[in-house]
Amino acid sequence: DAGITQSPRHKVTETGTPVTLRCHQTENHRYMYWYRQDPGHGLRLIHYSYGVKDTDKGEVSDGYSVSRSKTEDFLLTLESATSSQTSVYFCAISESPGSNYGYTFGSGTRLTVV
Amino acid sequence: DAKTTQPNSMESNEEEPVHLPCNHSTISGTDYIHWYRQLPSQGPEYVIHGLTSNVNNRMASLAIAEDRKSSTLILHRATLRDAAVYYCILRGDYGGSQGNLIFGKGTKLSVKP
Repeated sequence: DAGITQSPRHKVTETGTPVTLRCHQTENHRYMYWYRQDPGHGLRLIHYSYGVKDTDKGEVSDGYSVSRSKTEDFLLTLESATSSQTSVYFCAISESPGSNYGYTFGSGTRLTVV
Repeated sequence: DAKTTQPNSMESNEEEPVHLPCNHSTISGTDYIHWYRQLPSQGPEYVIHGLTSNVNNRMASLAIAEDRKSSTLILHRATLRDAAVYYCILRGDYGGSQGNLIFGKGTKLSVKP
């Protein structure tokens, strides 16, 4: 997807290990979001950022932390991965949170916790 | 955010028009109607959005009912690449979560050759 990349694309990790997913954008958008997608639940917001060092919790934030030290990078960390965090993770960016603006999503990271 | 209702699935033939309906009877006056789609194994992709008037872009058209309680996404000539889950989402300036997009289950569109 133009302007937004996620890494890694796939990861398998063991229960209890820390994991960091990276979202990188080249659009200079202020707002960035982390979602997870699971069968039967659709996409749910984990955390979001409204500027460098400005972040807040979303609907399903337990077990996750985020950091944003630069405009272009938004990191999602699972401090101690659990099997319930096996999911597909999507990052999104937006120029504005206003209702007249759309989001651009990354291609996703498929995380498996064994 | 106000709730939307979409059919679980629809089928279409290739090169024919497709009309994807969405009901949103509790829409408020400032809610925008957004459509996204998600192709298999990809992230959601913005399609179109509108407030009151019908909207057209290179991907699709959005027809909004006069009372705004329903809308229809129109794909003018479906291709195999249009097979995806289509989400109708209402976005308003409700504050909190900085304008979070709330996804429902969407409509799974199948396109037959």
